[in-house]
Amino acid sequence: AQTVTQSQPEMSVQEAETVTLSCTYDTSENNYYLFWYKQPPSRQMILVIRQEAYKQQNATENRFSVNFQKAAKSFSLKISDSQLGDTAMYFCAFMKHLGAQKLVFGQGTRLTINP
Amino acid sequence: SAVISQKPSRDICQRGTSLTIQCQVDSQVTMMFWYRQQPGQSLTLIATANQGSEATYESGFVIDKFPISRPNLTFSTLTVSNMSPEDSSIYLCSASDMGNTEAFFGQGTRLTVV
Repeated sequence: AQTVTQSQPEMSVQEAETVTLSCTYDTSENNYYLFWYKQPPSRQMILVIRQEAYKQQNATENRFSVNFQKAAKSFSLKISDSQLGDTAMYFCAFMKHLGAQKLVFGQGTRLTINP
Repeated sequence: SAVISQKPSRDICQRGTSLTIQCQVDSQVTMMFWYRQQPGQSLTLIATANQGSEATYESGFVIDKFPISRPNLTFSTLTVSNMSPEDSSIYLCSASDMGNTEAFFGQGTRLTVV
């Protein structure tokens, strides 16, 4: 079974700063997908970024980028130039490459961006 | 992308009663899922809703407690049966298409059992 661990329950930074959220996972699969989802107070889960395990290049989406270390089973999210709207719960998630497309989520990190 | 509507958005229910949550997707999708998010915690998959057949439940979840229907490719319901305060959670519907790894989520149903 796959497990996802986020060791930072809460983080807080000032607006415009850079923040990195940590995620580690455990799996015996060789091909899989990793995701970061954002859940603001509205409860709407929003996909922030995804990484395919067979791609060595780290994914980037505007101010969001990941540091994917497959051997270490580590998948951190970096948010640059943080904005007040980035305040949310962030969940790291795992999906097998082949299968039922089920997501396994980490415990979440509550990120607060302060003005 | 897919837009998912969930109803109700919240409810307060008496213990021992049942609540049915509806999930409507604005396009046909292959996969639909139901997750539970207990207060302050992560999302846990309850089951995969299969169109035209019985849902596939995860360990720890049973059909008698969480019956699920999926009559077509755009709609599913989750019933929380014989509720107890421990069932107080947010229940989220999710949908995705085979071959597309992005999952879309409804806004969730916040259930409080008193």
